Amino acid sequence: DSGVTQTPKHLITATGQRVTLRCSPRSGDLSVYWYQQSLDQGLQFLIQYYNGEERAKGNILERFSAQQFPDLHSELNLSSLELGDSALYFCASSPRTGGRNSPLHFGNGTRLTVT
Amino acid sequence: GDSVTQMEGPVTLSEEAFLTINCTYTATGYPSLFWYVQYPGEGLQLLLKATKADDKGSNKGFEATYRKETTSFHLEKGSVQVSDSAVYFCALSEGGRGSTLGRLYFGRGTQLTVWP
Repeated sequence: DSGVTQTPKHLITATGQRVTLRCSPRSGDLSVYWYQQSLDQGLQFLIQYYNGEERAKGNILERFSAQQFPDLHSELNLSSLELGDSALYFCASSPRTGGRNSPLHFGNGTRLTVT
Repeated sequence: GDSVTQMEGPVTLSEEAFLTINCTYTATGYPSLFWYVQYPGEGLQLLLKATKADDKGSNKGFEATYRKETTSFHLEKGSVQVSDSAVYFCALSEGGRGSTLGRLYFGRGTQLTVWP
């Protein structure tokens, strides 16, 4: 058990809809990262938050947004969903801003299916 | 930019066979290198890491050596078990003195299946 909790485990929704994925980092971890895993793109970094502030942005679509709350949990909001958004979304956390001595700890992911 | 290239899978081996999964990287700074493993239905788990050139990371019989001259970090295990069946990901984190960016760049993953 990594200590990172993601809910829900599975989500099935229709095109055009909006969903929210939730992540609770390991106790004491300040950084949260969101990744998207799909068969054709592999693991893609979306966004990172550190202690409530956005720290780095990757290949995140404008339809997607995230935030980290004062209790350090994070939410990833996906709107105007398309079939191609179907993927496994992972949250990871690390104690500080990450780096060489601060590997990421991953949750078990949320599997999103858009029909 | 920084990137990781992993050998294509899938890899199928018999129990007790020798395993090598190749990984090479491109980086502008001094990255740290990692191997993560993903079992079915689970998230990625850190398997081992190396933070500087010539470091050897090891865990559960797996080893990988950070080779700066060949920009490689190949994963090896002398004798695989059925329980090692999983997807293995090579990754690097942006490094450099004072770097505060911790995101990981992942390879595409290599599916390993071990038969009894």
